[in-house]
Amino acid sequence: AQSVTQPDIHITVSEGASLELRCNYSYGATPYLFWYVQSPGQGLQLLLKYFSGDTLVQGIKGFEAEFKRSQSSFNLRKPSVHWSDAAEYFCAVGANFGNEKLTFGTGTRLTIIP
Amino acid sequence: SAVISQKPSRDICQRGTSLTIQCQVDSQVTMMFWYRQQPGQSLTLIATANQGSEATYESGFVIDKFPISRPNLTFSTLTVSNMSPEDSSIYLCSVADRTTNEKLFFGSGTQLSVL
Repeated sequence: AQSVTQPDIHITVSEGASLELRCNYSYGATPYLFWYVQSPGQGLQLLLKYFSGDTLVQGIKGFEAEFKRSQSSFNLRKPSVHWSDAAEYFCAVGANFGNEKLTFGTGTRLTIIP
Repeated sequence: SAVISQKPSRDICQRGTSLTIQCQVDSQVTMMFWYRQQPGQSLTLIATANQGSEATYESGFVIDKFPISRPNLTFSTLTVSNMSPEDSSIYLCSVADRTTNEKLFFGSGTQLSVL
């Protein structure tokens, strides 16, 4: 069975500082990996995804993530955070095309301080 | 990208009653999914709804409690039946859009509180 671990429940960073959110997955085959963001009272918005190819993927809002098979990781990064990035971030893994139901991590809450 | 409209956005319900949540998509999609997000928790898949067939439920979820309809390729409903306070959650509809690189899109959710 697939699973996702987000080790950090809550992270606080200063505005303008760099950010890295950790995600580790467990899956027997090539995973399909996603990062979503959820602002308070909102649904989920897809930031980026990895299916195959280049292991460094670019997403919206200046985010990027790197797939490292050897470490079973798909960490999310941003070089300089903005106050509007404060939200809950979810990493998710999917099984394959044609069956896109996802398994989500428990989320990381990001707080930005001035 | 697919645009998903979910109604109601929030509701407060009495114990023992039922609530039907609607999910409307602006394009035809094969697969629709219903998730639950309990307070402070991550998302858990309830069921997968395909048009023309019965929904497929995940472990821990049953049709009597969460009946789902999928009458066409753009619409689905989830009913939360005989509600108890433990059903207080955000319920989210999502779809896979095969015309745009298999992205999964989510509705804004229904915030349900059961008294």
